[in-house]
Amino acid sequence: EDQVTQSPEALRLQEGESSSLNCSYTVSGLRGLFWYRQDPGKGPEFLFTLYSAGEEKEKERLKATLTKKESFLHITAPKPEDSATYLCALEETSGSRLTFGEGTQLTVNP
Amino acid sequence: DAMVIQNPRYQVTQFGKPVTLSCSQTLNHNVMYWYQQKSSQAPKLLFHYYDKDFNNEADTPDNFQSRRPNTSFCFLDIRSPGLGDAAMYLCATSRVGVGYGYTFGSGTRLTVV
Repeated sequence: EDQVTQSPEALRLQEGESSSLNCSYTVSGLRGLFWYRQDPGKGPEFLFTLYSAGEEKEKERLKATLTKKESFLHITAPKPEDSATYLCALEETSGSRLTFGEGTQLTVNP
Repeated sequence: DAMVIQNPRYQVTQFGKPVTLSCSQTLNHNVMYWYQQKSSQAPKLLFHYYDKDFNNEADTPDNFQSRRPNTSFCFLDIRSPGLGDAAMYLCATSRVGVGYGYTFGSGTRLTVV
């Protein structure tokens, strides 16, 4: 059974304080690993898809990396507007569905 | 803009009174999904349609049903809502095998009173 575990559950940062969110996973065959941002009361907003170990993608202050067992979302010099819940999800090769982790709730204080 | 639209954004229903949530898409994606998300929890897949083929998750309660009358629309029916069904319901779409990822709507927040 696919498993996705995110840590920490919650993270408080000061503006400009860089950090990383972790997503560890177990899957029989990985088609893709996804990162989403979710603001309160809204649907998840797509950030990145990673397909193979060693792959990296960047968007503004965010950088996602992937190994065979985990993915990291690195946040460089965060701003208060980066405050949100960040969800990690995987799609396995045998099925067309996403299995989500519980998310990391990020708060960036000014 | 091509998108996934869910209506209504907020729905209040009485305990036991049937309710229907709707989702429409302009992306022409062949797969549509319904997820349930309770507070501070991961979204949980209820159903998905691959074109017209319906796929029910093993642990989705019988109280939940879905309809997809055409490519653009999908409905979630809750026959007899209980207090435990209060949640955010998320509709998503994808195009199989292309690696586009999944596009989510803004969700419908269901309250059961």
